[in-house]
Amino acid sequence: QLHLQESGPGLVKPSETLSLTCTVSGGSITSSSYYWGWIRQPPGKGLEWIGSIFFTGTTYYNPSLKSRVTISADTSKNQISLNLSSVTAADTAVYYCARPSDSSGFYYDYWGQGTLATVSS
Amino acid sequence: QSALTQPASVSGSPGQSITISCTGTSSDVGGYNLVSWYQQLPGKAPKLMIFEDTKRPSGVSNRFSGSKSGNTASLTISGLQAEDEADYYCCSHAGSRTLVFGGGTKVTVL
Repeated sequence: QLHLQESGPGLVKPSETLSLTCTVSGGSITSSSYYWGWIRQPPGKGLEWIGSIFFTGTTYYNPSLKSRVTISADTSKNQISLNLSSVTAADTAVYYCARPSDSSGFYYDYWGQGTLATVSS
Repeated sequence: QSALTQPASVSGSPGQSITISCTGTSSDVGGYNLVSWYQQLPGKAPKLMIFEDTKRPSGVSNRFSGSKSGNTASLTISGLQAEDEADYYCCSHAGSRTLVFGGGTKVTVL
């Protein structure tokens, strides 16, 4: 059974870079044609799609975040990473990693439990 | 890309049917058969309920159904139950392999 676990520093200072990791177990991130996604949810608010990475390493980003976001994969550790630069309080959110059960990439079956990242000095 | 438009809240009595709308544009909802719906219980990760406009993943109750007309997609919950009380989000492909979510709808079972 596929399991996704997000991790990272719970607190980040304004203007710094938020770095999160999604550790995947129960399957390899390169074993098939999957799109691995990052989604976030500010406290009490709705979901926002951040971006995704294909198993080949090709990335796709939300246009509103594109200038600040980098998604990458570490195949040796079976991890997907998210870097968000120049953060402000508006970036405070629960961050989820997710993956669909097929190669479409347009919806997500598997989700991690999410990790809260707070931006504050 | 702008967030898809959903009503903030919808309510119904047990056993009734309710419908949640999700309005976008021809660049997202209306342009592809790629709307999905998620249920989110408090403090939990979202759960996929509908994908590709109308398809139900294995294990999802057939009380949940999806439909679409033009730029508006809809999620209908029939035979409403107390366990259906949750937040619901629509999501659509918005071109170039990007996705856009709706603002979310809180479903209350009266």
